[in-house]
Amino acid sequence: ETGVTQSPTHLIKTRGQQVTLRCSSQSGHNTVSWYQQALGQGPQFIFQYYREEENGRGNFPPRFSGLQFPNYSSELNVNALELDDSALYLCASSWGWGAAMNTEAFFGQGTRLTVV
Amino acid sequence: AQSVTQLGSHVSVSEGALVLLRCNYSSSVPPYLFWYVQYPNQGLQLLLKYTTGATLVKGINGFEAEFKKSETSFHLTKPSAHMSDAAEYFCAVSDRHDYKLSFGAGTTVTVRA
Repeated sequence: ETGVTQSPTHLIKTRGQQVTLRCSSQSGHNTVSWYQQALGQGPQFIFQYYREEENGRGNFPPRFSGLQFPNYSSELNVNALELDDSALYLCASSWGWGAAMNTEAFFGQGTRLTVV
Repeated sequence: AQSVTQLGSHVSVSEGALVLLRCNYSSSVPPYLFWYVQYPNQGLQLLLKYTTGATLVKGINGFEAEFKKSETSFHLTKPSAHMSDAAEYFCAVSDRHDYKLSFGAGTTVTVRA
C-alpha cells in the first residue's frame, strides 16, 4: 500500500500571491485532514474532508480553502498569502469518520511554504 | 473542545537513561490520545495511541504511555534512551467522534552519549 504523498516539498511565494498544495491519501483512505505547523510549534488543525465534503474546520480564515476529489486526494488553497502563512503544511489521511473509524491517521512529509 | 499541555519544551537525557515526556489534556468528552514523533524535515509518525480498554499502551521503538483519567494525563516513557530517539515529540488529543487532532507544542528530546 502506498503512503501519503504531498507536493511540492518546498516552495517560496510572495506576499499576496495564491498557492495550491496537494495531497494523495493512502490507498483505501477516504478522509483527509490538513494541518499547519509553524516553526517551533505543534500542528494546528485547518480542516478535514470526508468523501469530498468539508467535515469540520479549525480557526483559520476563509482564504484557506480546500477540495477533495473522487479518488480522495486533496488540495489546500491559500489566497492572499501573508508572511505568517510561512509554515510546514501537513496532510493526514485516515479511513472513516466518527466513532466507528479505525483510529489512525497517516501523515505525509509535508510542504514547506515560505512567504517572502 | 480539547487542549494539550506538554510540560517541558526540551528534555535532555543520557543514552541508556529513562525518557519521560509529560502530557496533560483537557477534554469535554472521553478522548482519544496519541503520541507522535517527528524527525527533522519529516512528517509525523505515530508512536502509540489510546482509544479504549487497557490504560497502559505500548508503542513502537520501546515507548509506552499510561492514560490516567483522574490526572488527565498521558505521559510517555521509554526505559532506556537510544541516540536514535533524538527528535521532536508531540502529544495529541481528539474527540473520539471526530478525529480532528489537537496537538501540544512539542518536546524536543536530545540524547547525550
